Amino acid sequence: SFELTQDPAVSVALGQTVRITCQGDSLRKYYATWYHQKAGQAPVLVLYGRHNRPAGIPDRISGSDSGNTASLSITGALAEDEGVYYCHSRDTNDPHQGVFAGGTKVTVL
Amino acid sequence: QVQLVQSGADVKRPGASVKVSCTSSGYSFIGYYIHWVRQAPGQGLEWIGWINPRDGDTKYAQKFQGRVTMTGDTPLSTAYMEVTGLKSDDTAIYYCARDLEDGNCYLDHWGQGTLVSVSS
Repeated sequence: SFELTQDPAVSVALGQTVRITCQGDSLRKYYATWYHQKAGQAPVLVLYGRHNRPAGIPDRISGSDSGNTASLSITGALAEDEGVYYCHSRDTNDPHQGVFAGGTKVTVL
Repeated sequence: QVQLVQSGADVKRPGASVKVSCTSSGYSFIGYYIHWVRQAPGQGLEWIGWINPRDGDTKYAQKFQGRVTMTGDTPLSTAYMEVTGLKSDDTAIYYCARDLEDGNCYLDHWGQGTLVSVSS
C-alpha cells in the first residue's frame, strides 16, 4: 500500500492566500487530484491532471507540484472556500489502485 | 444534465450483506467508469474501487478484495456495489461517482450518497 499525507487543518483570512499540500512518493509520477467537500455534501472535483479545473471552478484555485509534494492554492479566499480538501493519487506499483489523503480542513476567518 | 441517483439508506446486522445501486442519467452510461468511495462518520474519503460499465471490468482496493463486488446493468444505466460480511466499521456513507477519464479517478459527478449503518 502507499500513503498520502496532508496537514489536518489550516486557516486563512478572508481575501488572503492559502496553500494546501499533499505529500507522497506516488506524486513524483502522478499528478494529484483534488476534491473540496463542504459539510453534509458530496465532494466536488476542483483540480485534476495537469492542474486542470472543471467547468465552474474559479481560477483563484490553482495547483503546483514539486518533487513528492502537490499543492493547491486559493488566492483571495472567500467564505465559500471553507471545507475539507482531499488529494488523491494512483499507486506507482499498481496504477489502477488509488488512495485519498486524510484531508485538510480549511477555515476562512 | 448528468445525474447519479443512489438507493436509500439501509441498516444491516453484522455479518449481513448490502447492495447499493447508482442510476445514471444525462450521459452515455457505458462511456465512463463508475467509482465507489465511502466516508465513515467524521472521517475522510476512502476509495473502494471502480467498474467499467462497457465490459464489466473491475478493480478493487486491496482492503476490499474478496468482500466487495461491483456490477453494472447497461439497459438500466445502473451500477451496483455489494459488500458482504459487514462489520460495525463498515458504517459509512457510500458514494458512487463518474470518472472523467478511464480509471484515473477524476470524479466529476457524484451521487448523493447512501448511508449504510451496521449495528446489532
